[in-house]
Parts: sequence; C-alpha cells; structure tokens
Amino acid sequence: DTAVSQTPKYLVTQMGNDKSIKCEQNLGHDTMYWYKQDSKKFLKIMFSYNNKELIINETVPNRFSPKSPDKAHLNLHINSLELGDSAVYFCASSPFRTSGSYNEQFFGPGTRLTVL
Amino acid sequence: AQSVAQPEDQVNVAEGNPLTVKCTYSVSGNPYLFWYVQYPNRGLQFLLKYITGDNLVKGSYGFEAEFNKSQTSFHLKKPSALVSDSALYFCAVRDGGSSNTGKLIFGQGTTLQVKP
Repeated sequence: DTAVSQTPKYLVTQMGNDKSIKCEQNLGHDTMYWYKQDSKKFLKIMFSYNNKELIINETVPNRFSPKSPDKAHLNLHINSLELGDSAVYFCASSPFRTSGSYNEQFFGPGTRLTVL
Repeated sequence: AQSVAQPEDQVNVAEGNPLTVKCTYSVSGNPYLFWYVQYPNRGLQFLLKYITGDNLVKGSYGFEAEFNKSQTSFHLKKPSALVSDSALYFCAVRDGGSSNTGKLIFGQGTTLQVKP
C-alpha cells in the first residue's frame, strides 16, 4: 500500500542527457511537491502543484520542468543534465486547505540521480 | 523571511538516556513548525507538528516537542532513546508568505546517534 511512489529509485546517466522521474500518490491529496536533497543532506523545495496548477516555482534552472497530468501524478523532466544535478530527488504530497496549508507532507522514497 | 536553524550537526546519546534535538526558528506571523525523520536511504517521515494550542506536542514513536515562543525554539525530545532512533532529523517551518502555498523551509538536519 505505497502512499507516495517514485520511479526509478536509481538513475545513472551521462551529462547532456534528458531524463524523467515519475511520482504518484494514492492518498487523494491535491498538492504535490518536488524537493532536491544535495550531498550534504540539505533539503530544498523545487516545485509544487495544487490540482494540476503550479503554485511554487523556486529558482531552479529552466532545464527542470515539472508536469502534472492529474492531481495524483507529478513528474519531473530534466533536460541537458549536468554534474551538479546529481542529488536525491524527493516527491511529496499533502492535502491543501485554502484557509491554511499547514498539513504535513508525505514523502516518497526518493530517486538518487547520478550524472557522470 | 522565514528560516529555521538546527545548531547541532550531530547528537550522540546512550540508549535509555533522554535525547534532545534543537531547533530555533524565525518567522513573521504565527509559526507552524514540523519535525521529520529520515532513515538511511528512505524518504522523510512526519513525526509531529505545532500549529496552535499546547506548547508540548506529542508525536510518533514516543517523540515530543516543546514550543517556546519567547525563545523561538521547537526542540525535539524523547525520554528514553532507542538505538533504532538513530537517523537524520529535520525541523521545518511553513512559509507564512501571502501565497499560502504550504511551502516548507527545512533546517540543515541533525544526525542522531544512539549507542547501545
């Protein structure tokens, strides 16, 4: 009964390639997030979608493009991969209330991306 | 701007002893605070949150946290540590900006080592 799942778990690729990471949640949440965790374990938000609408778009290179086909899925596509993109990418989801979005987030297991 | 600091990179305790993992925050407006735990090669798991009400918040796995407004702190505590509590712990604050997106800002993480 996986709540938030990501594929693939590991991704090893060459510089310059284009790759995608998929995320799915079966919790019925309407908000999903992408985080990047660097080698020092620092965790930073990248994007968030609420009901397929982009609501958070942090300062990330435009080589990164999120896509939400429906509210249960949020995929991350990365063009022209660079060495510095090597990190663990986490997807998360949460319910969202217009009166105050302070619900906890549920995280996926992560995708470890290694760019050679 | 909202921020959260975890002043200790690592905390070492003996099994059976009480543990404290420190967190201080800076927010404009009401603080909404969270603790998450990350086990090796896993995603983050929610432990507890403070939104309003009692300053002592109880969470999963016997953890609790004390909200102290005057000291702007939200320290994580457990009366008796277990070896299985060894993990990376993150404090987070919800971004209280006008966008109300549910964005979380994470501290840099504290590694807890519980020795038998």
